[in-house]
Amino acid sequence: DQQVKQNSPSLSVQEGRISILNCDYTNSMFDYFLWYKKYPAEGPTFLISISSIKDKNEDGRFTVFLNKSAKHLSLHIVPSQPGDSAVYFCAASEGGNQFYFGTGTSLTVIP
Amino acid sequence: DTAVSQTPKYLVTQMGNDKSIKCEQNLGHDTMYWYKQDSKKFLKIMFSYNNKELIINETVPNRFSPKSPDKAHLNLHINSLELGDSAVYFCASSRRGVDTEAFFGQGTRLTVV
Repeated sequence: DQQVKQNSPSLSVQEGRISILNCDYTNSMFDYFLWYKKYPAEGPTFLISISSIKDKNEDGRFTVFLNKSAKHLSLHIVPSQPGDSAVYFCAASEGGNQFYFGTGTSLTVIP
Repeated sequence: DTAVSQTPKYLVTQMGNDKSIKCEQNLGHDTMYWYKQDSKKFLKIMFSYNNKELIINETVPNRFSPKSPDKAHLNLHINSLELGDSAVYFCASSRRGVDTEAFFGQGTRLTVV
């Protein structure tokens, strides 16, 4: 029973354009949402997060949007750079007890 | 300084063997986790320890036994390894509280032959 879903396994974007990665969840009790970036043969690294009381959080080129009514969040990367090419995981937690992850979206930024 | 370190990075072993993966964090976190990433790339929680006490034990075979000698260490011991245990295992840690993120180790790729 997967509570966090990323329905797009891959995404290709031209350098300089916007990358939009999407994530859906089913558990309305989730109160904190995170995005992680993963390179091959490395562990996931934290990228950006958002609390359930907010609908947007921005950090440099990265912005996360949360739509609680739709149980949907998205990560926007603008402008996209070749170094952004990686697998991006969406995650959610309830009360900080554990983190539920999606299956990841592989982003390729084409120079 | 590596925040969350796990050893070994690669582990190749035969079916039926017993093996351990070690994990240490120097972040002062109270909570540590083991995650399994299978062939479908799904990161699934296996165990969660809070201050050396087991708080989450998802449905995993009892051949998997976590051990936490102190709150900075969470080791994973696997008995009677099976082919289906082949995966990447990630250790992670986090602070207690709601608005917190997990920090991950580099992963251990276990291959059972």
